[in-house]
Parts: sequence; C-alpha cells; structure tokens
Amino acid sequence: NAGVTQTPKFQVLKTGQSMTLQCAQDMNHNSMYWYRQDPGMGLRLIYYSASEGTTDKGEVPNGYNVSRLNKREFSLRLESAAPSQTSVYFCASSDPPDGYTFGSGTRLTVV
Amino acid sequence: GESVGLHLPTLSVQEGDNSIINCAYSNSASDYFIWYKQESGKGPQFIIDIRSNMDKRQGQRVTVLLNKTVKHLSLQIAATQPGDSAVYFCAERVGGGADGLTFGKGTHLIIQP
Repeated sequence: NAGVTQTPKFQVLKTGQSMTLQCAQDMNHNSMYWYRQDPGMGLRLIYYSASEGTTDKGEVPNGYNVSRLNKREFSLRLESAAPSQTSVYFCASSDPPDGYTFGSGTRLTVV
Repeated sequence: GESVGLHLPTLSVQEGDNSIINCAYSNSASDYFIWYKQESGKGPQFIIDIRSNMDKRQGQRVTVLLNKTVKHLSLQIAATQPGDSAVYFCAERVGGGADGLTFGKGTHLIIQP
C-alpha cells in the first residue's frame, strides 16, 4: 500500500546511545517532516524538509539531526539519547498546499 | 505557547448521536486547517480539511466549520459509531508553504453504547 513507512516500530536505548529513525514515502511528495508526540499532547514539529536537499528546524529541534537522503527518504538521528527524548516519533510527507500523510510511528524509550 | 487548542480533553456521546469537537486557534495568518483522527497505537489519520477562504466543508458523515472572526474550528460527526472512538486533533498551517503543521492537544471522543 502506498504511504509512509517508518522503521523501527519500537526501540529502547540507554542514555547516551545513538540511533537513526528511518522514514520512506512512495507518493512522490516533495516535503517530509518529523514530529514527536508526548503523552496527552499533540504532535510537535522537530525538523522538516521542503524539498530534496533542504532541511529546516521546527519547534523542538534540539538533540536531533536529520538527513534528506533522496526524495523518498528522510531520517532522524539522535546522537546522544536522553530520557527527555522518550516519545513516539511520527514521520509525514506532503505535497503542499495539502496532502499530509503520516506513518504509524516509532515508539522510543530512553532509559 | 500553543497556537492551536481544543476546548475539551474528553467528549462522551451516545452511539447514534451527533458529535461536535471544537478547536480554537490564535494565528490569523493560518490558511489551512486539518482534522485528524488518531486511534491507540496508530499514526494520525486524515479526516477532512478546509482552507481559510471557506466557511464549511462536508465529507462522508463529517463536516468542518471555520469561523475566522473568532478563530474557531469545529468538527461535526453525524450518527456517531463505535469506530469513531479515538483522539481527534485539529492542526493548522501558517503561510501556505511547506513549514509543517501546528497541532492542538486533542480531544478523546468516547462512544457510549
């Protein structure tokens, strides 16, 4: 099925470890996004990529880096994980002015 | 602070009744609004959207109303079904570009049998 695919679905890290969350879309969308969702909260934008080769900070970028590998793939990296980064991470893609589609999420726990 | 918010964290309705979920936004430059449904353990699922040059838009069993004067958005679900039980988020986009969406905190819709 067409859509946004995220891997892994679950991950447990120790404080200070690093990891990369992967995201791929097959809808030929230009824009891609990473959000985090904390309990009882809406989604908050971490980083976005308006087009291949560009990335920009969102509302909560500290502690994260991103790479727009090609038009399909947008990865999120935690260089040194902290317990405050325990969250559910969602990737999304769109072709502005509309068409936001979300992946099913990565549930990350940092202990 | 948050640009988008919802009036009630939980809304309980009887199966078969109509549901109305409200949302307030503060940025008058927002030009595009979306309602999402999120079931437990899943990502947000698109329900319906509306642009700022419209007041009302209807879908299948859902209607979105936009009142720009008071910066208010609502989602109406007709004949609520058990499968409608979820958390509903409104989201807004400012400026028409690819800057991403700003989400409210969500309303948990509970369906009573």
